[in-house]
Amino acid sequence: NAGVMQNPRHLVRRRGQEARLRCSPMKGHSHVYWYRQLPEEGLKFMVYLQKENIIDESGMPKERFSAEFPKEGPSILRIQQVVRGDSAAYFCASSPPSYRVNEQYFGPGTRLTVT
Amino acid sequence: AQKVTQAQTEISVVEKEDVTLDCVYETRDTTYYLFWYKQPPSGELVFLIRRNSFDEQNEISGRYSWNFQKSTSSFNFTITASQVVDSAVYFCALSEISNFGNEKLTFGTGTRLTIIP
Repeated sequence: NAGVMQNPRHLVRRRGQEARLRCSPMKGHSHVYWYRQLPEEGLKFMVYLQKENIIDESGMPKERFSAEFPKEGPSILRIQQVVRGDSAAYFCASSPPSYRVNEQYFGPGTRLTVT
Repeated sequence: AQKVTQAQTEISVVEKEDVTLDCVYETRDTTYYLFWYKQPPSGELVFLIRRNSFDEQNEISGRYSWNFQKSTSSFNFTITASQVVDSAVYFCALSEISNFGNEKLTFGTGTRLTIIP
């Protein structure tokens, strides 16, 4: 059973470009969480999605950031018009159809660098 | 609001020494989970342990042990006979129930552990 997959692992964007980060949850998992880790900091919750629904986006910046988890395909975290402050590691986690956070499995992360 | 404090930003010890990483948390929930994760230089997050708030028994796994004390809201992590491969950033985390009913993790800022050969 493959783990949570994230791609790309490293992404370089110039200021003003768009960044698209993908997360494929573990097989059978229908819940996805996105976390951001700024340099030298811990992870911070951004958004929680179920298939075709955003449930909790309380940690998402109000502008330029969006997330989706379509019926088919991976979850996408989209950052429009990136700025240097968006440089961070973005981690995705998935869990099976229950609300137990103790079953959250993390992917390897995508490291975004904005130049 | 939930909070996790890892007061030790960086620790360096000589190989084979024991080392304890501190974690103090704040929560108003009566039921919660505490976690430790390891982040090696390669950057991925490695799950180490999950502990239910009702289970205060200490746990030992090989060279790793955890001391959970509700009275002091602490969940400390000890590595005995440290090895160079233990060098990493270690995060303590706490689960919380959001207003939407889902659980999410609150992480501390991490402790960077360096084992000197």
